Amino acid sequence: EVQLVESGGGLVKPGGSLKLSCAASGFTFSSYAMSWVRQTPEKRLEWVATISSGGSYTYYPDSVKGRFTISRDNAKNTLYLQMSSLRSEDTAMYYCARRKGLRDAMDYWGQGTSVTVSS
Amino acid sequence: DIQMTQSPSSLSASLGGKVTITCKASQDINKYIAWYQHKPGKGPRLLIHYTSTLQPGIPSRFSGSGSGRDYSFSISNLEPEDIATYYCLQYDNLLTFGGGTKLEIK
Repeated sequence: EVQLVESGGGLVKPGGSLKLSCAASGFTFSSYAMSWVRQTPEKRLEWVATISSGGSYTYYPDSVKGRFTISRDNAKNTLYLQMSSLRSEDTAMYYCARRKGLRDAMDYWGQGTSVTVSS
Repeated sequence: DIQMTQSPSSLSASLGGKVTITCKASQDINKYIAWYQHKPGKGPRLLIHYTSTLQPGIPSRFSGSGSGRDYSFSISNLEPEDIATYYCLQYDNLLTFGGGTKLEIK
């Protein structure tokens, strides 16, 4: 059974940093691209980052580029999202999701970890 | 960046009825659209990808169609467990979600 379990969320002050993790199991992690997607308090879904299966290629929207870094450890079956210079608008539920490739939709998602940016 | 305009933002329908949601892309997305069901406390569930391909295990009550910039998603024979918010996603060029449609049962 495919499982994705996010962790690392919490309350952080504006300008602070946080690192999210996503533990994967039930599939060959190294064969899949992975993405982070967030749901804002207004219930909008926003793509945050994508990494290729081998980790060589990463993609970000302009809203987080230069502040967020996606990475992965295929030996540990774990995906990461390092977030820095956090803003109030980064407050959201963060989900990790797997993709077969960059021309595929995300087919399995975790249950999310909550990040609140507030002073 | 590609924008996705999803409508309606909410709708109410009767059990056994049919609903249709539309998504309009700001440019041709070559049928690279997926539809998700999202319930509180869970991750989104992929229902349909590449416009009309059902994920394994998804009942045929769910369907999708479209081309170019215009796409639609339908649920027929509505059941109580269909109460959720539905989102479209374009993945032709990076990723962009529609604004979501909250479905309620009358």
